[in-house]
Formats: sequence, C-alpha cells, structure tokens
Amino acid sequence: AQSVSQHNHHVILSEAASLELGCNYSYGGTVNLFWYVQYPGQHLQLLLKYFSGDPLVKGIKGFEAEFIKSKFSFNLRKPSVQWSDTAEYFCAVNASGTGANNLFFGTGTRLTVIP
Amino acid sequence: EPEVTQTPSHQVTQMGQEVILRCVPISNHLYFYWYRQILGQKVEFLVSFYNNEISEKSEIFDDQFSVERPDGSNFTLKIRSTKLEDSAMYFCASSEVEVQGKYFGPGTRLTVT
Repeated sequence: AQSVSQHNHHVILSEAASLELGCNYSYGGTVNLFWYVQYPGQHLQLLLKYFSGDPLVKGIKGFEAEFIKSKFSFNLRKPSVQWSDTAEYFCAVNASGTGANNLFFGTGTRLTVIP
Repeated sequence: EPEVTQTPSHQVTQMGQEVILRCVPISNHLYFYWYRQILGQKVEFLVSFYNNEISEKSEIFDDQFSVERPDGSNFTLKIRSTKLEDSAMYFCASSEVEVQGKYFGPGTRLTVT
C-alpha cells in the first residue's frame, strides 16, 4: 500500500526566506504526485501535480516541486515566501495505472510565515 | 471559478444517530469522492463514485456508510449510526477525469457526542 511521509510538522520562516517542505512516499510502481494547500478557514486547493515528463513542476503562486524517483521524494519549494503563504501543505500520492483513484495524503506541514 | 460546496459546515449529533452530509460537486465533473480528516491526523480516503456506483472504497467505509447521488447535482454521504470516532472533518471532492487534481469542498465538521 502507498504511504506518504511529511517529516516537518511545523515550519516557521520569515518573509523572503526560502522554503523546502519534504515529502517522501512509499510505493514501488508509477505514481502521480500532488501538493495541496489549505489556507486558514479555506478549502484544500491543488497547488501542483506531477504525472509524467519533466520532474520539475511549477505550480501556482511561485511554488515548484521536484520529483526524484530514486529518492521517492517530491519536495515542495519556493524561493521567497510571503506572509500570505501561511497555510497547511499536504503532499498526496496516487498509484498510477492501478485503477485506484484515491489519494493517500501525508499528515501535512503547517507553515507559518512571520512578516 | 467553479467550486465544490458542502452543507452543513458543522453538524453535531448524538451517538447512534444517522447523519447525511451533502455535497454539490462541480457541474461537469464525473468523479466524486469523500475523504475525512480526524483532528490531528491525515486526510483519509473513504470512497469514490462514478457512473452512479461506488468505484472504490477504503477499509474505513464499512456498512455504516453509504453514498448516493439522488439527483443530478447532489452527492451525499450517510452515516447510519454514528460513533464517537466518526467525529472528523469530511471533505467532498470531484474531478472531471479519473486521474486529475481533485477539487475539494470546504468540509463538514461532524461532531458526535
């Protein structure tokens, strides 16, 4: 079964600092990978996704993530965070080609950006 | 921008009672899902629904749970006899095609007392 690990539970950064949130998954086959963001009091929103092709994917709001197959990782990055990036970030994986369509989520990383 | 809506935003019920959580997926989407998040834990998949039938369900989705698309717009999750451990945030989601980023609703917080 697939699982997703997000080792950082709470990250606190000052504005303009660079961000990297770790995500590792366990599954031997082909995966689709996602990052979702949940701003305070709002929905889960898709930030970016990887299905195939270029392992460096760019999402909304200046976020990007890099799929490193050998490390089973899909870390989220942003070169310079803003106060408005304060939110909870969830990594999720879906096993491609299995017919299974459900997402396995990580526990989430709370990001607090201090102005 | 189209969005998934859910009602109610917060439901409080007594143990053993039946609850129905309602969702209106995005209108042209064909795949519908329920997820839940117990406080402090992961978002967990419950069930997916396509073409008027369940396409996949998790171990959590036992006989106490059922889903229905009673008309062309609503998608409901029923918990037949609620337990304390059913207290969680329940998220509905929909997607246009099978493997795609899903659009999530705002969630319904279910509190079972």
